[in-house]
Amino acid sequence: DVKVTQSSRYLVKRTGEKVFLECVQDMDHENMFWYRQDPGLGLRLIYFSYDVKMKEKGDIPEGYSVSREKKERFSLILESASTNQTSMYLCASMPGGEETQYFGPGTRLLVL
Amino acid sequence: QQPVQSPQAVILREGEDAVINCSSSKALYSVHWYRQKHGEAPVFLMILLKGGEQKGHEKISASFNEKKQQSSLYLTASQLSYSGTYFCGTGEGGKLIFGQGTELSVKP
Repeated sequence: DVKVTQSSRYLVKRTGEKVFLECVQDMDHENMFWYRQDPGLGLRLIYFSYDVKMKEKGDIPEGYSVSREKKERFSLILESASTNQTSMYLCASMPGGEETQYFGPGTRLLVL
Repeated sequence: QQPVQSPQAVILREGEDAVINCSSSKALYSVHWYRQKHGEAPVFLMILLKGGEQKGHEKISASFNEKKQQSSLYLTASQLSYSGTYFCGTGEGGKLIFGQGTELSVKP
C-alpha cells in the first residue's frame, strides 16, 4: 500500500512566522505535489516536483516555496505566514508514467 | 483554468441515483475522479483516458465526452458510504487541475 504522510494534522502559527510542512512518501514515486483546499474552491495546485531538486510552479505559488532534497520528501515553506494562508494543505505523490495521485491526510493550518 | 463541476451539492436518500458533471473550457485528454470523505484524504476512483470511454467501479461509473469537453460520474442505488466530496481532475502536462468539488450527502 502506498503511504503518504504529513508531519502534522493540525498547526497553529502566528502571522509572520516561517512555516514548514513536510510530506514523505514510501513508494519511490518520482512526482510529488502540494495543494491547498478551501471550501468552494476545490484543490488548487501550489507547487509540484517531478524529480529531486526539481520544482515547478502550480496555479497559486505566491507566498510559498518548496524543497525536495530527497526523493521521498517534499517540503512546503511559508516564508512569512499570513492569515489568508489559513487552509487545509494536501500533499500527493504519483509514480512516473502514471496519472494516479496518492494523497496524504492533510495538514489544517491556522494562521492567527 | 479549473474545470467546472455541477451541481455544487446534492442530497440523496439511500437507493437514489445521482449524476455529477465536470466541464472544461479546454480540450480534455484525461479525466480523473476522486472522492474525499469528511476528514480524510481524497481517494482515487477512476481515470478515463480517451473520448467515449466509460468505466465502472461497483455502482459508480463515468463517461468521457471529448467533443463536449465533459465527463460525468454516475452513482446508482446510492449507499450511505457514498457520502463525501467528489472531485474531477483534468490531466495537463503531468499534473492535475481539479474542479471545485461536489458535496454528496446520502441520508437513510
